[in-house]
Amino acid sequence: DTAVSQTPKYLVTQMGNDKSIKCEQNLGHDTMYWYKQDSKKFLKIMFSYNNKELIINETVPNRFSPKSPDKAHLNLHINSLELGDSAVYFCASSFGAGSPLHFGNGTRLTVT
Amino acid sequence: SQQGEEDPQALSIQEGENATMNCSYKTSINNLQWYRQNSGRGLVHLILIRSNEREKHSGRLRVTLDTSKKSSSLLITASRAADTASYFCATDAGYSTDSWGKLQFGAGTQVVVTP
Repeated sequence: DTAVSQTPKYLVTQMGNDKSIKCEQNLGHDTMYWYKQDSKKFLKIMFSYNNKELIINETVPNRFSPKSPDKAHLNLHINSLELGDSAVYFCASSFGAGSPLHFGNGTRLTVT
Repeated sequence: SQQGEEDPQALSIQEGENATMNCSYKTSINNLQWYRQNSGRGLVHLILIRSNEREKHSGRLRVTLDTSKKSSSLLITASRAADTASYFCATDAGYSTDSWGKLQFGAGTQVVVTP
């Protein structure tokens, strides 16, 4: 009965590789997000989609490309991975602006 | 840039004691939310307080908001070992095009409750 599920939980890869993280929510929410949490626990929004439409693109390098095939799914593809991309990436969803977020359990990405 | 800043960065207390943490923010808000993050897990929403509210309770949690000082506090009463987690405040600036749906998080307060 997981509300927001993201896969994989861990991702270890080498610099230069391309990888994807998938996210699905079964809460009926219209809005989905990607957040990045760094080693100091700062949590920063990357993207937000509302009904499959990109709403927020927070000055993220264009190596990061989100894709929302439907409002229950928001995937994140990362090209040419760099060491600085190592972090925990969280998917979240909500009913929209001002509503509480429901987070997945995160994907810990390690780039070597 | 981070909108909310929590204080203290870390807090260590014993079971049964109260834990208080503060959050300061910079710009006007529509609402402020508190979240908990257990180690290795996602954030869990605890409580939302709107800009026209001054205090809110939920179980052992009490949140206050002072918009004139741009600050909020979270009080956990009668803490338990299971309350050990990081606590984050997040601000929602409302429905402007620039900030639509963009919750801004602080860096969190790490709370350790020892039995």
